[in-house]
Amino acid sequence: DIQMTQSPSSLSASVGDRITITCRASQSISRYLNWYQQKPGRAPRLLIYDASSLQSGVPSRFSGSGSGTDFTLTISSLQPEDVATYYCQQSYSSRPFGQGTKVEIK
Amino acid sequence: EVQLVESGGGLVKPGGSLRLSCAASGFTFSNYSMNWVRQAPGKGLEWVSFISDSSGYIYYAASVKGRFTISRDNAMNSLYLQMNSLRAEDSAVYYCARDSPYCSSASRSTTCYDYWGQGTLVTVSS
Repeated sequence: DIQMTQSPSSLSASVGDRITITCRASQSISRYLNWYQQKPGRAPRLLIYDASSLQSGVPSRFSGSGSGTDFTLTISSLQPEDVATYYCQQSYSSRPFGQGTKVEIK
Repeated sequence: EVQLVESGGGLVKPGGSLRLSCAASGFTFSNYSMNWVRQAPGKGLEWVSFISDSSGYIYYAASVKGRFTISRDNAMNSLYLQMNSLRAEDSAVYYCARDSPYCSSASRSTTCYDYWGQGTLVTVSS
């Protein structure tokens, strides 16, 4: 099975900061990588698919990049409503999700 | 508006059974593959099962294979998960999630999920 490892597991940043979350696959998954946001007590929401495509309705401050084994999710200017846990998910094989990165406001 | 509404969760004893339902609306249900994804309290997301639009392809996570059965009724716009031989480690919020028609996949059993229900809580405890 492909293992997905996210880093950091949590981060705290100020409003307006640029933040980056990394997701690493244990083997190449081309660009089959997606990102979700989950706010406390809510269902996950698809943000980015195919590594860099923005899901409809998602603010443009969210962006994704990467291919092969290394991927990043960037929030260009952190907003209070971005407090959430972010998950990467590979659509290459089974057991798809990373362990999550919790984002808080400093 | 796309809506997915789960029901059927509750408290069940170890070894017991439960059937979850997911009512879909706002889209042509029969055109989409569907999934169950679960989340144990305070933990991450775990994909559980996949069913293709016409039920021709069905896949399960190793952790539930042989105990859980996914099914759907396209006439009723409904998705189901029959859970048998439940264990404490099956305790979780169970979400139904729709396969996105846009994201790419190298495997039929996993793609990305563009709409999710609100979840239904299953607690397995004596």
